[in-house]
Amino acid sequence: KAGVTQTPRYLIKTRGQQVTLSCSPISGHRSVSWYQQTPGQGLQFLFEYFSETQRNKGNFPGRFSGRQFSNSRSEMNVSTLELGDSALYLCASSTQTGRGETQYFGPGTRLLVL
Amino acid sequence: DAKTTQPTSMDCAEGRAANLPCNHSTISGNEYVYWYRQIHSQGPQYIIHGLKNNETNEMASLIITEDRKSSTLILPHATLRDTAVYYCIVRVRNALIFGKGTTLSVSS
Repeated sequence: KAGVTQTPRYLIKTRGQQVTLSCSPISGHRSVSWYQQTPGQGLQFLFEYFSETQRNKGNFPGRFSGRQFSNSRSEMNVSTLELGDSALYLCASSTQTGRGETQYFGPGTRLLVL
Repeated sequence: DAKTTQPTSMDCAEGRAANLPCNHSTISGNEYVYWYRQIHSQGPQYIIHGLKNNETNEMASLIITEDRKSSTLILPHATLRDTAVYYCIVRVRNALIFGKGTTLSVSS
């Protein structure tokens, strides 16, 4: 079974621009979560989507948003990019939503904001 | 969510067992203990998880103390490819809350 895929793998943007990242979960998985990893803050939870609904949200500004489609694929968008948004953005999928459901991560999208 | 405490770094000789400890003294009864590892900025890799009982899979064993305040991840025969950052996570909601983890260095 194919794993979680994320596109693009690398991205360079300038301050003020916006960016959209894509995540395709493992086949049959309906929950998708997004995480940001930076050297200073480590791995931080952004939000989770299940059945096209946001179920849980981390402590990030409104510039960070996401959505999920009926085929469970998800996108996250960051508007008005700042230098501090440079990070590895990770997507994880699980079959269901819930504390006992194992999340499987994709390879990530590395975003550089200049 | 309960917080976890892990040593910053550990060393292990190739072929020996690697025992990675984790303290989670404030854990609640319905919180799972998860272990992931991350190799050189790749996506975190799921290793194992448990609630109360000890668990074993093809990658590792998870030993949880009876009071559930601490746990140990055991890699029975460490190889050079096991060099990574290992995260112990206590999870009650849908989100995984990562700490700083333990950097395990396996050497020959």
